[in-house]
Parts: sequence; structure tokens; C-alpha cells
Amino acid sequence: GDSVTQMEGPVTLSEEAFLTINCTYTATGYPSLFWYVQYPGEGLQLLLKATKADDKGSNKGFEATYRKETTSFHLEKGSVQVSDSAVYFCALSTNNAGNMLTFGGGTRLMVKP
Amino acid sequence: GAVVSQHPSWVICKSGTSVKIECRSLDFQATTMFWYRQFPKQSLMLMATSNEGSKATYEQGVEKDKFLINHASLTLSTLTVTSAHPEDSSFYICSASHRVGYTFGSGTRLTVV
Repeated sequence: GDSVTQMEGPVTLSEEAFLTINCTYTATGYPSLFWYVQYPGEGLQLLLKATKADDKGSNKGFEATYRKETTSFHLEKGSVQVSDSAVYFCALSTNNAGNMLTFGGGTRLMVKP
Repeated sequence: GAVVSQHPSWVICKSGTSVKIECRSLDFQATTMFWYRQFPKQSLMLMATSNEGSKATYEQGVEKDKFLINHASLTLSTLTVTSAHPEDSSFYICSASHRVGYTFGSGTRLTVV
């Protein structure tokens, strides 16, 4: 079955540090890939997505590139802020809509001033 | 666009009572909605998939008689936790699929005392 594996947290960084959260997947077919963010006490929000190989999703300074050859979708940001502290979930779907998401375990990011 | 409203955002109930959680799509028709549960510091777990006008499909290990899901219209799905117990305390999140992806509700934190 489909699965998503992401690095365990927590990840603790100082403000303005470079962030990488690794995500790899296994799936049948050609999945769409997503990063969701969950701020404390809130529901999930879509951060970015990519629907085909070599696509780069980007939003709020975060980027992730769909790498079919390495089945990866690592999340990066060049300079994190305290407000980026949250839990980040990598997910895949084998269809763009109408099919369920498969989530990774989530990675907690803590950014210190 | 594609807004999902989930209500209530938090609820405290006595053991043995039932709690209903609503998930509404405000500006689109959601033929499919998903209900997730999140334990502290863990990832989302899909509980069930509900399709408008038909019975929900429950994931293995989820008690359908305890977690009643109704999707009677294209804009409303409800999850009722029946005879709640402290172990049902958790964060419940709905998600609706639409043409360009998924939108999540803001979540409901249930505490059973």
C-alpha cells in the first residue's frame, strides 16, 4: 500500500537557520504530493503541493520538489522564523481529488529566537 | 474559496453522553468527506470516508456503532461520538475533497470527563 515516511522530530532551530524536513514515499501509480502545516491548536492547512515529477511547490518561503527518481518531496526553507514553529505533515494522494490522503507521521519544528 | 467550517472547535462532555461534530462546506459541494482523529503528538488517522447519500466506509479498527457518520447533503457531514468515554478524548478533523484538492476543517478538540 501507499506510505509516507518523514523524519522524526522535534527539529529545533535558531531563527534564520536553514530548514530541511525529509519526506520519502511509496505509492502505486503517480501520486500528488503535499505538505500540510498544523499550528498549535489549529487544524491542518495546505502549505504547498506538486502534482507531477520535477514540479516545485512553494509558499511562504517554503519549497519542495517532486523527485520521482528518489521518491522524495523534502521541505526546505532558507531562513526560518519563530512563527514557523508548527507540526509539518507530508502526504500523498493517488488522485488529485476524490481519494484519501496518506500522511507521514508529522515533524514538529521549534524555532528559537 | 473552498472553505470548510467545522463546529464546535472544542467540547467537554461527561462520560456516557454523545457529542455531534459538524463539518460544512461553505462555498462548494463536497461529495466526499473524510474524518480523521489525531492523538497527542501523533499523526492523523483516517477514521472513515463519507459519501453523500450513502453509508460511510470505516477504516479497520474503527467502531461504526460508536462513531456515527451522516452525510445527508452535499454540504454537511456529521460525526457523532456515542456514549463517549475518556479514551475518546482526541482531536477530530474533517476534510472535504473538491475539484482542485482537499480542504480541512479547523478541528474539534473533544475532552471526555
